Amino acid sequence: EIVMTQSPATLSVSPGDRATLSCRASQSVSSNLGWYQQKPGQAPRLLIYGASTRATGIPARFSGSGSGTEFTLTISSLQSEDFAVYYCQHYHNWPRTFGQGTKLEIK
Amino acid sequence: QVQLVESGGGVVQPGRSLRLSCAASGFSFSGYSMHWVRQAPGKGLEWVALISYDGNKKYYADSVKGRFTISRDDSQHTLYLQMNSLRTEDTAVYYCAKGYSYSDDWGQGTLVTVSS
Repeated sequence: EIVMTQSPATLSVSPGDRATLSCRASQSVSSNLGWYQQKPGQAPRLLIYGASTRATGIPARFSGSGSGTEFTLTISSLQSEDFAVYYCQHYHNWPRTFGQGTKLEIK
Repeated sequence: QVQLVESGGGVVQPGRSLRLSCAASGFSFSGYSMHWVRQAPGKGLEWVALISYDGNKKYYADSVKGRFTISRDDSQHTLYLQMNSLRTEDTAVYYCAKGYSYSDDWGQGTLVTVSS
C-alpha cells in the first residue's frame, strides 16, 4: 500500500497571501495524483487531477505541481472561501489512498 | 447535472449488516466506474471500494475486504455497498463518487453508526 503523507497538518495563512501544501508518496505514483478540498459538512470537491490539471470550474489561483513522490498544491492569493481541509489521493494502483489532510486556517 | 444520492445509513449493532445505496442521475451511469469512500467522525477520508463500469472488476481496502461487497444495478442507476460483520470502527459517513481514477462528482454522504 502506498502511504500518502501531507504537510503541514495545519497551515495558518492570511487572506490574500500564498499557501503551499505538500504531499509525499511512499513510492512513485507518477502523475496519478489528485487534490480535493473539503469544507465542514460538505462532500470533497475535486480541485486538481493528473497532479497539475485543474478540474472544471476551479479558479486559476489553484495550481498543482510535482511527479513521482513529491507534490505541491499552491493557492496563489487566498480568498475567504479557500479556508478548508485539503487532501491528496493517488490513483496509481490499488488500494487508492488519501493523505491525512492539511487544514488551512485563517491567520 | 450529475446527482449522487446516498441512502441506507443508520444505527446498527456490531456484527450486524447494512446495505447502502447510491442513486445516480444526470450522466450515463453504466459508462462509469464508481467508488465508495468513507470518513469517520472528525477524521480524514478513507477509500473503501471501487466497481468498474461493467461490474467485472471490484477492488477493496484491506480494512473491509471479506466483509463488504460493492455492486451495481445499471437498470436502476444505483450503486450498492453491502456491509456485513460491522465493527465500531466502520462508523463513518459513506460517500459514493464517480470515476475510475479521480472522482469529479460526489454524493453528500450517509452516516453509518455501529454501536451497541
